[in-house]
Amino acid sequence: DGGITQSPKYLFRKEGQNVTLSCEQNLNHDAMYWYRQDPGQGLRLIYYSQIVNDFQKGDIAEGYSVSREKKESFPLTVTSAQKNPTAFYLCASTLTSGSADTQYFGPGTRLTVL
Amino acid sequence: KQEVTQIPAALSVPEGENLVLNCSFTDSAIYNLQWFRQDPGKGLTSLLLIQSSQREQTSGRLNASLDKSSGRSTLYIAASQPGDSATYLCAANILTGGGNKLTFGTGTQLKVEL
Repeated sequence: DGGITQSPKYLFRKEGQNVTLSCEQNLNHDAMYWYRQDPGQGLRLIYYSQIVNDFQKGDIAEGYSVSREKKESFPLTVTSAQKNPTAFYLCASTLTSGSADTQYFGPGTRLTVL
Repeated sequence: KQEVTQIPAALSVPEGENLVLNCSFTDSAIYNLQWFRQDPGKGLTSLLLIQSSQREQTSGRLNASLDKSSGRSTLYIAASQPGDSATYLCAANILTGGGNKLTFGTGTQLKVEL
């Protein structure tokens, strides 16, 4: 089955620690995205990558970092510099970076800072 | 900056009722408008995508319309069922140089009761 997987489903982190969220897709999509969702708010774009070895900041990139070394993988690191990291994180992908494409989403990772 | 608003924030209807969810956006320079469904604690599932040149799209009991000039889109659900209970999100694909970027509304939480 083709799709997007995110792991882990739940993640707990102590304050001051960095943590990496995994996102993998086997759809052969060029573009990948990371969003953050907070209660009562819409999704907000953190980072996106239109092609391997390239990525751009979204609207709320501070305190986060990404890499795109392989087409199928786009891990997100939440660093200790992110002041309020507790949230639901969603990864998405599109066939190309073109604007007409539907975004396909993974099941999400819920991060809680203890 | 594009802003997307969804009204109402929550809606409860009896099974079988037809209903309309509303989405408004401030910048009419969009590529397309997308509607998604999100079940609790899950990722997003794409329902309908309306290109900027289109007026509406239909899929089964769902019909989405787009009026760019007034900055509005509606999602019509016919003969609602308990399985339709979920949060519905609309997202405007904005015209930037950075490819496929979505601005999300905060969603309408729908409950269809028996």
